[in-house]
Amino acid sequence: DIQMTQSPSSLSASVGDRVTITCQASQDISNYLNWYQQKPGKAPKLLIYDASNLETGVPSRFSGSGSGTDFTFTISSLQPEDIATYYCQQYDNLPLLTFGGGTKVEIK
Amino acid sequence: QVQLQESGPGLVKPSQTLSLTCTVSGGSISSGDYYWSWIRQPPGKGLEWIGYIYYSGSTYYNPSLKSRVTISVDTSKNQFSLKLSSVTAADTAVYYCARTTSLRFLERWGQGTLVTVSS
Repeated sequence: DIQMTQSPSSLSASVGDRVTITCQASQDISNYLNWYQQKPGKAPKLLIYDASNLETGVPSRFSGSGSGTDFTFTISSLQPEDIATYYCQQYDNLPLLTFGGGTKVEIK
Repeated sequence: QVQLQESGPGLVKPSQTLSLTCTVSGGSISSGDYYWSWIRQPPGKGLEWIGYIYYSGSTYYNPSLKSRVTISVDTSKNQFSLKLSSVTAADTAVYYCARTTSLRFLERWGQGTLVTVSS
């Protein structure tokens, strides 16, 4: 099975900071990776699909990059409403979908 | 705009079967463009994909749960359902249903429902 390792597991940053989260796959998954945002008490929301494509309506301060085994999710300027846990999810090993462990983002 | 809503008992006894239904509104489950998924999240933990179904009835399950999971669809009611048998406390979680695009990403989610396994 493909394992997805996210880091860090949590981070604290100031409003306006650039925030970067990484997701590493245990094997090459091409660009078959998505990113979700989950606010406390809410369902996850798709932000990025196919590693770098912004879902419709998602602010442009969110971006994704990478291919193969190493992926990056970036918030260019952290906003108070971005407080959430972020998850990566791979779909290379269809039909099985697997998620990373999540990164909790807090405001410093 | 399509909406999904989970429903079912919030408390299930150990060894019994957990049963949930997801009602889809604002779009047809039979459109053929999507698969329909179940995902769960134990309290304070991460996400686990359970499985999905196509409107035709084709299913795919997470191997870790396959022996206990059944997902079914009722196109006349625009609903799909989850059954998880022989539950234990480890199955306590928020259960989400979601619309799945091309088997690849979960692009519309229900609000989730907490199911607690306890006697």
